[in-house]
Amino acid sequence: DQQVKQNSPSLSVQEGRISILNCDYTNSMFDYFLWYKKYPAEGPTFLISISSIKDKNEDGRFTVFLNKSAKHLSLHIVPSQPGDSAVYFCATLSAQKLVFGQGTRLTINP
Amino acid sequence: DAGVIQSPRHEVTEMGQEVTLRCKPISGHDYLFWYRQTMMRGLELLIYFNNNVPIDDSGMPEDRFSAKMPNASFSTLKIQPSEPRDSAVYFCASRQTIQRQETQYFGPGTRLLVL
Repeated sequence: DQQVKQNSPSLSVQEGRISILNCDYTNSMFDYFLWYKKYPAEGPTFLISISSIKDKNEDGRFTVFLNKSAKHLSLHIVPSQPGDSAVYFCATLSAQKLVFGQGTRLTINP
Repeated sequence: DAGVIQSPRHEVTEMGQEVTLRCKPISGHDYLFWYRQTMMRGLELLIYFNNNVPIDDSGMPEDRFSAKMPNASFSTLKIQPSEPRDSAVYFCASRQTIQRQETQYFGPGTRLLVL
């Protein structure tokens, strides 16, 4: 009963191109979403968030899009850089707790 | 600040043995969280404390798991007896009450392998 799902375990993108990471959720009552980034041997760090009153939030090379009707969000990274290679987790807040997806491993190829 | 400190960083044990994972939160942080990361389920919240008191342990898998926070600077997660399916990376995180809920500072994790 995964409430937040990331169906792509891995993604490989060429440096300079756009990376698109996807996430689906099950509960239409969720109203705040987040993306975290995790490097090997480190804990996750907060990257960007979006409230359900918006459909887009941008921070430099990172943009998160929210489609409430489809219960889907995506993280766009453009242009992709080698330092973006990491595992990305989407998450939501439920009952004041963070609920994470399974993660997507992004590899940026030179 | 040293950040959240976890020990050990790696643990290999045999099925049936007791495992104790340790966490030192960032000084001044009054929330402490224990997470488990697996390939299938991603990051799952196991339990969290506020001011050393367990608030929500609904994510603890079963009675074999227990967590304590005897003081503001130390917490343990214990598995007894351990089973191969407990193999995962266990993270501890902390934050201050005044911070937003997503502002959790994670430790580097403990990679546990139960043979």
